Amino acid sequence: AQSVSQHNHHVILSEAASLELGCNYSYGGTVNLFWYVQYPGQHLQLLLKYFSGDPLVKGIKGFEAEFIKSKFSFNLRKPSVQWSDTAEYFCAVPWGGSQGNLIFGKGTKLSVKP
Amino acid sequence: KAGVTQTPRYLIKTRGQQVTLSCSPISGHRSVSWYQQTPGQGLQFLFEYFSETQRNKGNFPGRFSGRQFSNSRSEMNVSTLELGDSALYLCAGGPSADTQYFGPGTRLTVL
Repeated sequence: AQSVSQHNHHVILSEAASLELGCNYSYGGTVNLFWYVQYPGQHLQLLLKYFSGDPLVKGIKGFEAEFIKSKFSFNLRKPSVQWSDTAEYFCAVPWGGSQGNLIFGKGTKLSVKP
Repeated sequence: KAGVTQTPRYLIKTRGQQVTLSCSPISGHRSVSWYQQTPGQGLQFLFEYFSETQRNKGNFPGRFSGRQFSNSRSEMNVSTLELGDSALYLCAGGPSADTQYFGPGTRLTVL
């Protein structure tokens, strides 16, 4: 079965620092990948998604992620974080032949110090 | 347009009771998925519905059940509640399953 690993449980950065959050999935082949964000007290929101094509995907709020098939990875990056990026970030992969069945990583909590 | 709505937002029940949660996707969206979010297990998939048909079911006991109505609204039922069922239950809906919009969730506390 598919599984998703997020390497960091809690990341603390100062404003303007660069961010990279790791995500690895276990099953190869054709894969779609998602990053979701959950701001404090808010809904889960889609940050970006990869289906095919350019492995470098740009999302909202200056985030991007790179799909590296050989490493089964889909790391999330942002060159300069802001205090407003404080949130929990989840990597997800669909499973079971349907995009509506998402397997989520455990999440990475990002705290940005002003 | 209005987002995904879930009712109730908060619920307190005691062990052994049953509970029904409701989710209404954005108008016109036919796909609905349910997830359970807990601090220990994170986000876990419960079920997926499309046009009133259950397409997938996660690894949860039979006490967890769901259904979807012709207007795409979905309900989730948990019978014989256990303390471990305390969680945030999230619903996600979309025009197709590759684009899902999440609701605010229902916070269930079992005492």
